[in-house]
Amino acid sequence: DQQVKQNSPSLSVQEGRISILNCDYTNSMFDYFLWYKKYPAEGPTFLISISSIKDKNEDGRFTVFLNKSAKHLSLHIVPSQPGDSAVYFCAAENQGGKLIFGQGTELSVKP
Amino acid sequence: DADVTQTPRNRITKTGKRIMLECSQTKGHDRMYWYRQDPGLGLRLIYYSFDVKDINKGEISDGYSVSRQAQAKFSLSLESAIPNQTALYFCATSERLAGRDTQYFGPGTRLTVL
Repeated sequence: DQQVKQNSPSLSVQEGRISILNCDYTNSMFDYFLWYKKYPAEGPTFLISISSIKDKNEDGRFTVFLNKSAKHLSLHIVPSQPGDSAVYFCAAENQGGKLIFGQGTELSVKP
Repeated sequence: DADVTQTPRNRITKTGKRIMLECSQTKGHDRMYWYRQDPGLGLRLIYYSFDVKDINKGEISDGYSVSRQAQAKFSLSLESAIPNQTALYFCATSERLAGRDTQYFGPGTRLTVL
């Protein structure tokens, strides 16, 4: 049972445009969400997080939006750059402090 | 120097062999984790340890065992490797701050079981 789902395996965007990566979850008890970025041959690195008491968190070009009623979060990257090409994982923290990851979305930003 | 290191980075082995993957960290974190990544399935938790005397099973622990030799070291063993254990394995560490964890990952070990 996949509690955190990223339904788009891949996304292609033109440089300078907005990238929107989506994530859905099923457990309403999740109250903290994170996005990780992974380049080939490297481990995932933390990108941005959001607590359920907020609906938006912004860090430079990266913004995460949380819609609790829809159990949906999204990561916006504006403007997208070729160096943003990577696999992006969303994750939710459960009550035990462990992370449940989505399947990942591979973003390709074309010059 | 990397904060979380994994050895080996790549390993090819045969069915039935015993394999150990090692993880070391210099971040001083108490919490350590082992994940595997498979295409289309994301990262799945195998085992985790919140301190040296604490070992817990994750989502997919069957066929694996772990050892927490010290705060800085957490090893994953496959007692008798099988082909469906072919995957990318990641170690991670975290510390709990203000009730939240942020996990820091090693570079991964690509394991192939023939």
